[in-house]
Amino acid sequence: DTGVSQDPRHKITKRGQNVTFRCDPISEHNRLYWYRQTLGQGPEFLTYFQNEAQLEKSRLLSDRFSAERPKGSFSTLEIQRTEQGDSAMYLCASSSRYYEQYFGPGTRLTVT
Amino acid sequence: SQQGEEDPQALSIQEGENATMNCSYKTSINNLQWYRQNSGRGLVHLILIRSNEREKHSGRLRVTLDTSKKSSSLLITASRAADTASYFCATEEVTSGSRLTFGEGTQLTVNP
Repeated sequence: DTGVSQDPRHKITKRGQNVTFRCDPISEHNRLYWYRQTLGQGPEFLTYFQNEAQLEKSRLLSDRFSAERPKGSFSTLEIQRTEQGDSAMYLCASSSRYYEQYFGPGTRLTVT
Repeated sequence: SQQGEEDPQALSIQEGENATMNCSYKTSINNLQWYRQNSGRGLVHLILIRSNEREKHSGRLRVTLDTSKKSSSLLITASRAADTASYFCATEEVTSGSRLTFGEGTQLTVNP
């Protein structure tokens, strides 16, 4: 039984560069979520997919952020023109409807 | 925005003692979930309690839910040094689809 995986685990980038993260959910889960967590805070919701449809986006998700889930399997989160304020842990989770969300190990982004 | 508010923000106890953490929330929920996070790592799901449930047990964990007071508590019995972590409550609100709203967490330190 494989859990949620995320790649890369760490990413250091210079301000202004674009970055892309990948999340592979638990295979039988049709829902996939992205959250962002900064130091000392709880995770904050960014967006979620049911199968390939993006059903909700947070106001935190500015137009520099885009997420996709082609074919309802893995998902990617892209941040364009990164800013220092984007430095955070980006967490992915998956679930079946009405059940608990299982989180991946996260991608830690540092923007210098 | 953070709906859940954990109390206390930090808790330090001796191994073998019980630890109780509380969570309050503001709106009607479908369920409430507790997670554990070791320093700088991903979230581990501990327990989910639905809005029509009042108490659940899992090993050394006991969770209660009082929807009239919009509060929940997590009790860890016979604590171990390995329980040292941050603990978060997260609510799935009735009006928010399936996204989770997290509190800021309780930092538990169990001293050997």
